[in-house]
Amino acid sequence: DAGVTQTPRHEVAEKGQTIILKCEPVSGHNDLFWYRQTKIQGLELLSYFRSKSLMEDGGAFKDRFKAEMLNSSFSTLKIQPTEPKDSAVYLCASSWTGGNGQLYFGEGSKLTVL
Amino acid sequence: AQSVTQPDARVTVSEGASLQLRCKYSYSATPYLFWYVQYPRQGLQLLLKYYSGDPVVQGVNSFEAEFSKSNSSFHLQKASVHWSDSAVYFCALSPNSNNRIFFGDGTQLVVKP
Repeated sequence: DAGVTQTPRHEVAEKGQTIILKCEPVSGHNDLFWYRQTKIQGLELLSYFRSKSLMEDGGAFKDRFKAEMLNSSFSTLKIQPTEPKDSAVYLCASSWTGGNGQLYFGEGSKLTVL
Repeated sequence: AQSVTQPDARVTVSEGASLQLRCKYSYSATPYLFWYVQYPRQGLQLLLKYYSGDPVVQGVNSFEAEFSKSNSSFHLQKASVHWSDSAVYFCALSPNSNNRIFFGDGTQLVVKP
């Protein structure tokens, strides 16, 4: 089985641009998570979907961050407009509903905002 | 509320030495507990997990962890580390069997040759 696929692996954006990060979860998984990872803040939850329904979103990220599950096998994270403080690694993870916390992570998308 | 504390941001050990990475949790009941590892430029991978029963759990690559209810701890151990163990290790908990996990800040492990 293919693991979690994230594209692009690297993205450089100018301040104010819109960027879209993509994630394909493991086939058959119906839980999907977006995390932001920085050295200072560590891992922060951005969004949590179960069977395409939004279960939780990170309150601090609501205004410029929007995650969507267009279908069970594809999710996007849009950041609009980008700011330099958004520079981070964005990780996508998936699991099956009975996964008991065993998440499968993608390799991440590293975003640099100039 | 729940939280995970990893008191050591960075640990350096020599190859072949034993290792303990510390983890303390805060939760009103016994949570599900995990250790994840992140190798450079990769996502996180599950190393081991504890749900109930024997407080010592075995994981991949000869890692083990011991749950202590009295100390609210879940320390990770390895008898003899290898240079390839250099990575960031995250302790995490889930309040129940769903997949909503709360991560600690991570401990960077550096193994010196």
